[in-house]
Amino acid sequence: EPEVTQTPSHQVTQMGQEVILRCVPISNHLYFYWYRQILGQKVEFLVSFYNNEISEKSEIFDDQFSVERPDGSNFTLKIRSTKLEDSAMYFCASSTGTPPYEQYFGPGTRLTVT
Amino acid sequence: DQQVKQNSPSLSVQEGRISILNCDYTNSMFDYFLWYKKYPAEGPTFLISISSIKDKNEDGRFTVFLNKSAKHLSLHIVPSQPGDSAVYFCAASANTGNQFYFGTGTSLTVIP
Repeated sequence: EPEVTQTPSHQVTQMGQEVILRCVPISNHLYFYWYRQILGQKVEFLVSFYNNEISEKSEIFDDQFSVERPDGSNFTLKIRSTKLEDSAMYFCASSTGTPPYEQYFGPGTRLTVT
Repeated sequence: DQQVKQNSPSLSVQEGRISILNCDYTNSMFDYFLWYKKYPAEGPTFLISISSIKDKNEDGRFTVFLNKSAKHLSLHIVPSQPGDSAVYFCAASANTGNQFYFGTGTSLTVIP
């Protein structure tokens, strides 16, 4: 069964450093998403991406964040200058964009900012 | 702004009995609702959905009920099995799935 994959599974970085989290969505999906979950808290929407552009973004997704689909398969989330509060589990998801719009999630990347 | 709420952080149920997980929302524009199941160290897994034009959707042991007037949905699992032990999230969207709002989750424990 097709699945969403994410790399790395765990990333440790120092405050102020740039990180890139990578995702390979399911191949025939057209919509891509990033979510994060701070430990013990809810899953929070960051951004959705369709047709090579951002379609929705949340308040969390400020200028420090960017997304890109550099080739036909990868979907990346870049955090330009990481802060301690960026420490969280980051989930990538993809969907076909048709009802009921279910999203298929990757296993997540645990980002630890020290 | 908590648009989707799951007020029970945890629930314990005996194997074979019914599990009922609840979810409330505030935005009357929400038109699709999804339930996800999450095991530790894994991403959420889609379980079942319902659109606002329905009040019930059933898939095997899982049934979701939607009460639009009360802005409430519930997930029924019957019979509950130990493998159902996980965190369950409800999620809602108002714009054709472009953005889903998640609840805080309910941790279900099914006791053998």
